[in-house]
Amino acid sequence: DIVLTQSPATLSLSPGERATLSCRASQSISSYLAWYQQKPGQAPRLLIYDASNRATGIPATFSGSGSGTDFTLTISSLEPEDFAVYYCQQRSGWPHTFGQGTKLEIK
Amino acid sequence: QVQVVQSGSELRKPGASVKVSCKASGYTFRQYAINWVRQAPGQGLECMGWINTNTGTPTYAQGFTGRFVLSVDSSVNTAYLQITSLKAEDTAVYFCARSYGGGWNDYWGQGTLVTVSS
Repeated sequence: DIVLTQSPATLSLSPGERATLSCRASQSISSYLAWYQQKPGQAPRLLIYDASNRATGIPATFSGSGSGTDFTLTISSLEPEDFAVYYCQQRSGWPHTFGQGTKLEIK
Repeated sequence: QVQVVQSGSELRKPGASVKVSCKASGYTFRQYAINWVRQAPGQGLECMGWINTNTGTPTYAQGFTGRFVLSVDSSVNTAYLQITSLKAEDTAVYFCARSYGGGWNDYWGQGTLVTVSS
C-alpha cells in the first residue's frame, strides 16, 4: 500500500496567520492527491483534489500544490472555522489510502 | 442538490451482524460509485472499498474482505454495507461518500456509528 505521511502532527497558529501542511507519499503518485477537512462530530469535507483543484464552494484561501511524492496544503489566512483536522488521500494505487492527519489548533 | 443520508447508529453484540444504508439523491445515482470509509474512535480515516453502482461490482481493501459486504439497490438509490460476525474492534463510524473523479469523496453521508459491545 502507498503510505502517506503528514506533518506536522499538530500545528498551533493564530487566526490571520498562514498555515502550511505537508503530505509525503511513499512512492510517486503523480498529482493524484486530495485534501479533506474534518471537524469534531462531522464528516470530512473535500477541499482540494488532483493536488491543486479546489472543490465546489471551497474559498480561495485554500490552495494545494505538489506532485510526485511531496504535497502541500496552504491556508493563506486562518479563520476561526479553519481549525480542524486535515487529511490527505491518494488515488494512485489501490487502496486509496489516507494520511494520519494534521490537527490545526488555535494558539 | 446532492445529498447522502445514512442510517442511524447501531448497537450490536459480538458475533451479530449489521447493515448500514446510504441513500443518495440530487444526481443520477448510477453515474457515480460509492466509497466506504471507516473511522475508529479517535483515529484517522481508512479506505474500506467501493461499489460500482451501475454494475453492482464491489472492490474491497485488504482487511475488509470476508466479513464486509458492499451491495447496492439502484432502484432506490441506496448502497449498503453489511458486517457479519461483529467484533469489538469493528466499533467505529462508517461513512459512505459519492466517488468523484476516479476516487475522490466529494459528498459524504453523516456517518453511522456502529458499537459492538456485550
